[in-house]
Amino acid sequence: GAGVSQSPSNKVTEKGKDVELRCDPISGHTALYWYRQSLGQGLEFLIYFQGNSAPDKSGLPSDRFSAERTGGSVSTLTIQRTQQEDSAVYLCASSGQAANYGYTFGSGTRLTVV
Amino acid sequence: AQSVSQHNHHVILSEAASLELGCNYSYGGTVNLFWYVQYPGQHLQLLLKYFSGDPLVKGIKGFEAEFIKSKFSFNLRKPSVQWSDTAEYFCAVKENNNDMRFGAGTRLTVKP
Repeated sequence: GAGVSQSPSNKVTEKGKDVELRCDPISGHTALYWYRQSLGQGLEFLIYFQGNSAPDKSGLPSDRFSAERTGGSVSTLTIQRTQQEDSAVYLCASSGQAANYGYTFGSGTRLTVV
Repeated sequence: AQSVSQHNHHVILSEAASLELGCNYSYGGTVNLFWYVQYPGQHLQLLLKYFSGDPLVKGIKGFEAEFIKSKFSFNLRKPSVQWSDTAEYFCAVKENNNDMRFGAGTRLTVKP
């Protein structure tokens, strides 16, 4: 597609439930990233997929968080047993392979855990 | 540890004032540097980037940034801000083919 698409745009869930957030990157972009933006804070790196390489999961805050990328395209971020501190905007970005490429961000999914 | 620092959390300026937002990083190798902007209610957009050549980079909307390698800095500047520049600004650093790391962001409020 023309841009990075994320769904849903808003998600309200009860504490303890699992949620899945979806990211559809720009066609042909080999790299895909998930970030979290909490109120009053900057962008927190979560996970990075580059082509067929093993993902860099170093930013995932706990084992309740996981992500996969199927067929080198669409990615799903899963948060199990959600907690109130998980409330944030979850941003997905994709980029081409060269190091000097900037990212194209999606509009994000605003997750609220009540 | 590798990090990106934006020292100003919130900057408030009047229209036509000059702007400089600081960004410092601690990566030791070759880096690519970026500034992103997030206008209220919108998603992050690339403002400008540096990867080689002239260390003074021109971006959109009259913004520029200067890469000073000896200071590990990439400050964002604009000679005369407008009310429409009110937004959050993020500095980011990408080392080789690794992921991009962002600073905490600087919120700019421009008073009309």
